[in-house]
Amino acid sequence: AQSVSQHNHHVILSEAASLELGCNYSYGGTVNLFWYVQYPGQHLQLLLKYFSGDPLVKGIKGFEAEFIKSKFSFNLRKPSVQWSDTAEYFCAVNSGGYQKVTFGTGTKLQVIP
Amino acid sequence: GAVVSQHPSWVICKSGTSVKIECRSLDFQATTMFWYRQFPKQSLMLMATSNEGSKATYEQGVEKDKFLINHASLTLSTLTVTSAHPEDSSFYICSAADRDGLGEQYFGPGTRLTVT
Repeated sequence: AQSVSQHNHHVILSEAASLELGCNYSYGGTVNLFWYVQYPGQHLQLLLKYFSGDPLVKGIKGFEAEFIKSKFSFNLRKPSVQWSDTAEYFCAVNSGGYQKVTFGTGTKLQVIP
Repeated sequence: GAVVSQHPSWVICKSGTSVKIECRSLDFQATTMFWYRQFPKQSLMLMATSNEGSKATYEQGVEKDKFLINHASLTLSTLTVTSAHPEDSSFYICSAADRDGLGEQYFGPGTRLTVT
């Protein structure tokens, strides 16, 4: 069975600080990887996704993530966070060709102005 | 973009009654819809996967007789919580995947259920 670990449960940053949220998964086969964001009071939205190709994926709002197959990781990064990035971030994975997605436990990001 | 709606957005019901939650894909056809439950400060827990025209596949530990799922069309899936109890109070979220089946899911805004 696949599983997803997000090691940072709660991160507090000042505006303009750089962000990196860790995500590791366990599954030996082909995977599709996702980062979703849930802003306060809103529903989950897709930030970015990796299916194949360039392991460095760029998403919306200046976010990017790098797929490192050897480390089973898909960390999310942003060079300079803004107060509006305050949200909960979920990493998710599904095995190629199968739609069921497994979510990590989420990381709550709080950006202080 | 792909939009998924849920109705109602919140509902309060008494113990023993049943509640139906609708999930609709508004601008695309969803061959597969998923139902999640989100507990406070926890991640989404997949309850079941529903494919149009067939029976839902429930995750281990989810009572299929309690959480009835129907996916009657390519744009509508319903979750009925039968004989609700206070411990069923939670945030229920649906998502829909389009025909491509590449794994990206579009999420509804969720339904807050409170059972008194």
